[in-house]
Amino acid sequence: EAGVAQSPRYKIIEKRQSVAFWCNPISGHATLYWYQQILGQGPKLLIQFQNNGVVDDSQLPKDRFSAERLKGVDSTLKIQPAKLEDSAVYLCASSSPWDRDRGLGEAFFGQGTRLTVV
Amino acid sequence: ELKVEQNPLFLSMQEGKNYTIYCNYSTTSDRLYWYRQDPGKSLESLFVLLSNGAVKQEGRLMASLDTKARLSTLHITAAVHDLSATYFCAVVRIIPAMRFGAGTRLTVKP
Repeated sequence: EAGVAQSPRYKIIEKRQSVAFWCNPISGHATLYWYQQILGQGPKLLIQFQNNGVVDDSQLPKDRFSAERLKGVDSTLKIQPAKLEDSAVYLCASSSPWDRDRGLGEAFFGQGTRLTVV
Repeated sequence: ELKVEQNPLFLSMQEGKNYTIYCNYSTTSDRLYWYRQDPGKSLESLFVLLSNGAVKQEGRLMASLDTKARLSTLHITAAVHDLSATYFCAVVRIIPAMRFGAGTRLTVKP
């Protein structure tokens, strides 16, 4: 079974520039997450999608970050304009959706995109 | 608001010793995960704990869940160098989805 695919793996940009990350979840997984992991910290949830609808984006800095999920499959996360403090690894994860019997399915993570803002 | 606290944040152990990592969370949860992360790598799922009293074991690691105390533990038995990594607990609810602790950076020394 193919895992969660992310690209690019690494990105270096100057502050105030824009950047976009792409994620292709595991086939059949309706739930998709974007996490931000700053060096030495735990992953912080930015946004959760259920199919192509947003379930939770309470921690997404909406003045500069945006995300969309095309047709309930692939997703892109954009930062515009980037700040120095956005330097982090951006992790995408997917899981099967919540149901009454099993709860939320196990989340599988991609390799991440390491962003450096200079 | 769902908060997840892990302790200790840093743990240096001698090979062959035992130790426990603790994960406390603030509200009721649907389930709890333990993940391992090696430097520069992504997160690898270790255990999924579904209900009160659940206990899972894999090799030298054993995880347990007490939903009444809102506490999960990850116990390390007779540590070996290969266990050196950062360990995260993650608490799952429907909304918000999955919140991670800050992680415990484990170093096992010969």
